[in-house]
Amino acid sequence: DGGITQSPKYLFRKEGQNVTLSCEQNLNHDAMYWYRQDPGQGLRLIYYSQIVNDFQKGDIAEGYSVSREKKESFPLTVTSAQKNPTAFYLCASSIQGGHTEAFFGQGTRLTVV
Amino acid sequence: DQQVKQNSPSLSVQEGRISILNCDYTNSMFDYFLWYKKYPAEGPTFLISISSIKDKNEDGRFTVFLNKSAKHLSLHIVPSQPGDSAVYFCAASGNTNAGKSTFGDGTTLTVKP
Repeated sequence: DGGITQSPKYLFRKEGQNVTLSCEQNLNHDAMYWYRQDPGQGLRLIYYSQIVNDFQKGDIAEGYSVSREKKESFPLTVTSAQKNPTAFYLCASSIQGGHTEAFFGQGTRLTVV
Repeated sequence: DQQVKQNSPSLSVQEGRISILNCDYTNSMFDYFLWYKKYPAEGPTFLISISSIKDKNEDGRFTVFLNKSAKHLSLHIVPSQPGDSAVYFCAASGNTNAGKSTFGDGTTLTVKP
């Protein structure tokens, strides 16, 4: 079945450690995105990529980094510079260009203690 | 400044009745609007969308209305069912890549049997 896989579903890290969240899609989508959701709030865009080996900052990129070496994969690293890393992280993909919806993964709940 | 606003954090309706969820936006450059449905600890799933060239789009029990002059859109669910209970996010896109959207904070819909 086609879809987006995020792993792990729950992740715990100690403060000061970098952590990488995985996102893989087999929908053959060119565009991929990382969003962050905090309780009672909407989704905020962290980074997005419209093509392999290219990505742009979203609205809240500080403290995060990404790579897009393969079309299928768009990992997100939450660095120690991110002030409030505990959140629900969502990866999505879509067809590049045109009015179309995004397909989301199941999310990763990151808790930093 | 929040560009997409869902002013009602929650809505409760009786099964079989109509649910109306509202969304306001401020950016005149938005030309494509989407509604996503989200269950706890899961990723959002696309529900319905509308382009700015239309004022209504219908899909089964779901209808989205767009009032461009008022910068307002609404989602109507008729008849409401208990399985519709979820968080509904309004999203808006201003370019050709609708995966890169600005989201509202969501409205939690509860449909009571």
